[in-house]
This record gives sequence, C-alpha cells and structure tokens, in this order.
Amino acid sequence: GNSVTQMEGPVTLSEEAFLTINCTYTATGYPSLFWYVQYPGEGLQLLLKATKADDKGSNKGFEATYRKETTSFHLEKGSVQVSDSAVYFCALTGGSYIPTFGRGTSLIVHP
Amino acid sequence: KAGVTQTPRYLIKTRGQQVTLSCSPISGHRSVSWYQQTPGQGLQFLFEYFSETQRNKGNFPGRFSGRQFSNSRSEMNVSTLELGDSALYLCASSRLTSGGSSYNEQFFGPGTRLTVL
Repeated sequence: GNSVTQMEGPVTLSEEAFLTINCTYTATGYPSLFWYVQYPGEGLQLLLKATKADDKGSNKGFEATYRKETTSFHLEKGSVQVSDSAVYFCALTGGSYIPTFGRGTSLIVHP
Repeated sequence: KAGVTQTPRYLIKTRGQQVTLSCSPISGHRSVSWYQQTPGQGLQFLFEYFSETQRNKGNFPGRFSGRQFSNSRSEMNVSTLELGDSALYLCASSRLTSGGSSYNEQFFGPGTRLTVL
C-alpha cells in the first residue's frame, strides 16, 4: 500500500534560519503530493501541492519539488518566522483514492 | 465562502456510550472524509462519502460508522466507546476532479475533541 515517511520532530530553529523537512513516499502509479500545516487548536490547512513529477509547489515562502526519481517531496523555507511554528504533514493521494498522511513534524521557531 | 464546520467542538463521554459527530462541508463539495488524529497513531483515515455512498473505508472496527445526507452534510457515529477512542476527529471536504481520478486538496474543519472517561 501507499506510505509516507517524514522526519521525526520536533525541529527547533531560530528565526530567519533555513528549514528543511524531509518527506519520502511509496505509492503505485502517479500520486499527487501535498504539504498541510496544522496550527494549535485548528484543523489542517493545505500549504502547497504538486500533481506531477518535477512540479514545484510554493506558498508563503515554502517550496517543495516532486522528485519521482527519489520519491521525495521535501519542504523548504529560506527564512522561518516565529509564526511558522506548527505541525507539518506530508500527504499523498493516488489510485486507491485514500489519502495517506505522514506522522507530522512539529516545528518550533524561537525569536 | 464558509469553511468546513464541525459540531460539537468538544465532547466528553464515558466508556460504553455512543456518540454522533456532525460535519458540514464547504458549499458545492460532495466528498466528505473523516479522520482520527491521536498523538500515538497520527492521522488515520476512517472513511469517505460521496453522494450519500461510502466510497472508501479505512481500517477501523465496525463500531465506527458514518452517513451522508443529500445536502452533503455528514455524520459519524461511534458506538460502545472505549478509552482508546479519545482523539481529535477531523472532517474534510473536497471537490472532485472530473473523472474522480484523484482527490483535489482537502479542506479540513477544526475538529471535534472527544474525551472518553
């Protein structure tokens, strides 16, 4: 079946540091890939997505590139802010139509 | 456009009771999915409804059931509650692409926090 593996957290950074959260996946066919963000006390919100190989999703300074050759979709941001502190989920949807989510990576940004 | 709404937001029940959670999707969205989120297991898919029919189901016991109404609103029911059912239950709605080849992005509600004592 499909699976998504994310790096363990928490990731703790100082403001303006560079962020990378690794995500790799296993899926049949050609899945769509997503990053969702969950702020405390809220549901998940879509951060960015990519629907085919080599697509780059971007939003609010975050970027991720769909790498089929390495089955990866790593999330990056050049300069994080305190307001970016949240839990980030990598997810995929594929032929099974059942979305598969990673375990989530908590990001803590200190001033 | 109003977002996904879930009621109630918080619920406390005791073991053996049953509970019904409600979800109203974004207007025009016909697909509604339910998830259970716990610290230990993360986000786990329960089931998905489309046009009042259950299309997909995750690996949960039969105590977990759901339904969808003609206006796309959905309810989830858990019978004979166990301590391990304590979780945040999230509902998400989606507008399917033509042909239904895969999900579009999902729009999540704020969740219902269920505590079983």
